[in-house]
Amino acid sequence: ILNVEQSPQSLHVQEGDSTNFTCSFPSSNFYALHWYRWETAKSPEALFVMTLNGDEKKKGRISATLNTKEGYSYLYIKGSQPEDSATYLCAFITGTASKLTFGTGTRLQVTL
Amino acid sequence: DTEVTQTPKHLVMGMTNKKSLKCEQHMGHRAMYWYKQKAKKPPELMFVYSYEKLSINESVPSRFSPECPNSSLLNLHLHALQPEDSALYLCASSQGSLAQETQYFGPGTRLLVL
Repeated sequence: ILNVEQSPQSLHVQEGDSTNFTCSFPSSNFYALHWYRWETAKSPEALFVMTLNGDEKKKGRISATLNTKEGYSYLYIKGSQPEDSATYLCAFITGTASKLTFGTGTRLQVTL
Repeated sequence: DTEVTQTPKHLVMGMTNKKSLKCEQHMGHRAMYWYKQKAKKPPELMFVYSYEKLSINESVPSRFSPECPNSSLLNLHLHALQPEDSALYLCASSQGSLAQETQYFGPGTRLLVL
């Protein structure tokens, strides 16, 4: 059973704060890591797919890095806005499986 | 159109009922997925269809029966469910079934089994 852990479980920041959270996954047999953003009552929205060690991806104020050798990925949000409030999920894929194994998510709340 | 639609949004059914969940995409994607999410848990894969053929069944009980009538449509037929099957059922699709391809999710069907 693959163990994908995300921390913290929840986070409450003020508008304008920058924040980051972590996804930890087994470092052996890595194939790809996905990040999703999931607002309540909406569809999970794909943010990034990361495949190479040292990958850095950016989408607006959100960026992510990947370290496959030590088994972690960071998601950063610069200048958080209330519309960033959502659960951020990472999902890991090994080379021997074609399925996503999700972490439990980090729930972010941004207040004015 | 980058949308995956799911119907119904909510469903309440008894343990003797037969019902179906429907998922549709018009992005030309050839892989479609069913996931189950229990409260406060991550989504878990149930089934994968690739080019309209079932390619992965994650040891799901036979009371859940998937069907892919064409490349745009994915159904999940439900029969004799148990209360512990109450969950959010998510559908997703991707261009192909390679692991690095982005999966596009629908909003889910929230199922309550009484």
